[in-house]
This record gives sequence, structure tokens and C-alpha cells, in this order.
Amino acid sequence: GAVVSQHPSWVICKSGTSVKIECRSLDFQATTMFWYRQFPKQSLMLMATSNEGSKATYEQGVEKDKFLINHASLTLSTLTVTSAHPEDSSFYICSAPLDRRNYEQYFGPGTRLTVT
Amino acid sequence: QQQVKQSPQSLIVQKGGISIINCAYENTAFDYFPWYQQFPGKGPALLIAIRPDVSEKKEGRFTISFNKSAKQFSLHIMDSQPGDSATYFCAACFGNEKLTFGTGTRLTIIP
Repeated sequence: GAVVSQHPSWVICKSGTSVKIECRSLDFQATTMFWYRQFPKQSLMLMATSNEGSKATYEQGVEKDKFLINHASLTLSTLTVTSAHPEDSSFYICSAPLDRRNYEQYFGPGTRLTVT
Repeated sequence: QQQVKQSPQSLIVQKGGISIINCAYENTAFDYFPWYQQFPGKGPALLIAIRPDVSEKKEGRFTISFNKSAKQFSLHIMDSQPGDSATYFCAACFGNEKLTFGTGTRLTIIP
């Protein structure tokens, strides 16, 4: 299957600071990428849809000013958690569909964020 | 309605047995139904997927059964192995759009 990478795999930051998470499609181009967060023993919750060259689309209840998404190229999307608080501690995962005709979506390995 | 309901929440199966996980959806516009396997601390991995024009798809020990009229689909894992112990998520989407996930099933295979 296609490969999606994330960096970093885990990060610890202090409350009030910002953290950037990268999502890369390694062997295919992705005009769209999705960002999810997952709390322990829960399902994946879609946060936003990242669109290359345009603004991201955020799900209801997700603060766009807090979770900044940039999709600067066909292989890279970034999620920046601004002014992080302990309640932002979670597992953040990105995914990308293989192409417009193929519905298969591939997920990154996830980034564990801990805010102290 | 975008909801996908998944059951059971947890499942214990003996090694060599058949694991069955069920999902039901409401949105008849959904046209792609994947299953994902997730190990602790890892991202979900695509296991198998089906489109509504077929009633069954088999890949190795994994089979999806799809009932369009009942708006239900299920994952069957034959000859379940300890290495299959993981959390399984069903999902659904329309077109190449965002996935709607089920709540997950924690599967444990015991020797």
C-alpha cells in the first residue's frame, strides 16, 4: 500500500507553546489530506480536511485558529497546535486518499502529543 | 445521517476461531466501506474494503459481507490468530470524501 509518514512520532511541550506536526505522502501526490485526533480507547475524530493550495475545511466544533493547517505542496500538510493546553494532549493522525479514482485512504503512524 | 454503528465493543475469540464484527449505516449515499486494523500507538492500517455493487469480498483470512438492503456490513476473520489482536474500525464514505468511522472493536485472540 501507499506510505504516509508523520513527524514527529511523539512530542512533549509546555502549556502555552505551539507544536507543528508534519504529514507527508511518500510515494504519491495528495491534493487532499485529512487530520484526525484520537483519545485513548476511542474512535478517530475528523478535525479538518486539508486542501493543497486552498484553505482547510474544519469540522464543527474544531477551532480553526487553534489548529492551523497548511497544505503547501502535493506531498506535505502540516498541523500546528497553537497555545497548547493539557486538554490538547492526544494522538493526532493524518490520512490521504491514493487518488481521485481510488477511494483507498492511507494513514500515517500518528503523533502522540503531550502538553505539560 | 452520517453515523456508522459498530458492534461489539469488545470481542474475545479462541485461536483458530472465527471473529465477526458488525457495522450498520444510515446514509444510503455511502459507496465505499473499508475496514481498518489498529495496533496500540500506531495509525490505522487499511485491511480490506468493499463497494456496494458486490455482496462479499475475500482477501486471505479476511472477508467482508455486505447487505445493501439492510444497510449492514461485517468483517469475518477466519482462523483467528493471536497476532490479529487489535482494534478494528469499520468506516464508510461517499466518493473520495471524508471517512465516517465506527466506534471500534477491541479484538483479543486467546490461545
